[in-house]
Amino acid sequence: DVKVTQSSRYLVKRTGEKVFLECVQDMDHENMFWYRQDPGLGLRLIYFSYDVKMKEKGDIPEGYSVSREKKERFSLILESASTNQTSMYLCASSFVGGIPSHEQYFGPGTRLTVT
Amino acid sequence: KNEVEQSPQNLTAQEGEFITINCSYSVGISALHWLQQHPGGGIVSLFMLSSGKKKHGRLIATINIQEKHSSLHITASHPRDSAVYICAVPSNTGNQFYFGTGTSLTVIP
Repeated sequence: DVKVTQSSRYLVKRTGEKVFLECVQDMDHENMFWYRQDPGLGLRLIYFSYDVKMKEKGDIPEGYSVSREKKERFSLILESASTNQTSMYLCASSFVGGIPSHEQYFGPGTRLTVT
Repeated sequence: KNEVEQSPQNLTAQEGEFITINCSYSVGISALHWLQQHPGGGIVSLFMLSSGKKKHGRLIATINIQEKHSSLHITASHPRDSAVYICAVPSNTGNQFYFGTGTSLTVIP
């Protein structure tokens, strides 16, 4: 079974702090994604990465950066946390291959509160 | 503009009721996914379908490619079915997904 893990389930940070959210997958997937999920808005893509050191902006990249130094690990960084970044953050990974399923496997989520 | 529209946004049902959640999309797709998210956050894939119908236990998913519409049905609903159900379609490149905003289902005993 594919396993996607996230470094924390719950996190409380103060405004202005630098926040690191880490995601690790164990299935050698090329694609990794960071989403945030807010009530009424659904899942919104922040960044995705299709290979080591490669990244592309999603729909809402402002205030975030990412790092992918190793294939299995994808980090989301909030350079200076703000209260409007209080949200549920979900990481996912998927395989790029001959089977056109593109199925994404999700981590358990990190509920971040910025006070 | 939302590429994927889901309805209803919220749904409350009595245990045993037949439930239908609808998803309409505007992009050409290779497959459509139905996802389930229980309280606590984790998302799991229920179905991936590109035509016709799929069944897994009490869950049935159908898709009409010509009409760009899919439905998720739950027969004999149970309180443990209470969750958020999300419809998702891949982008043309397959590297990204368009997600519906989700349907929050509560099944009352």
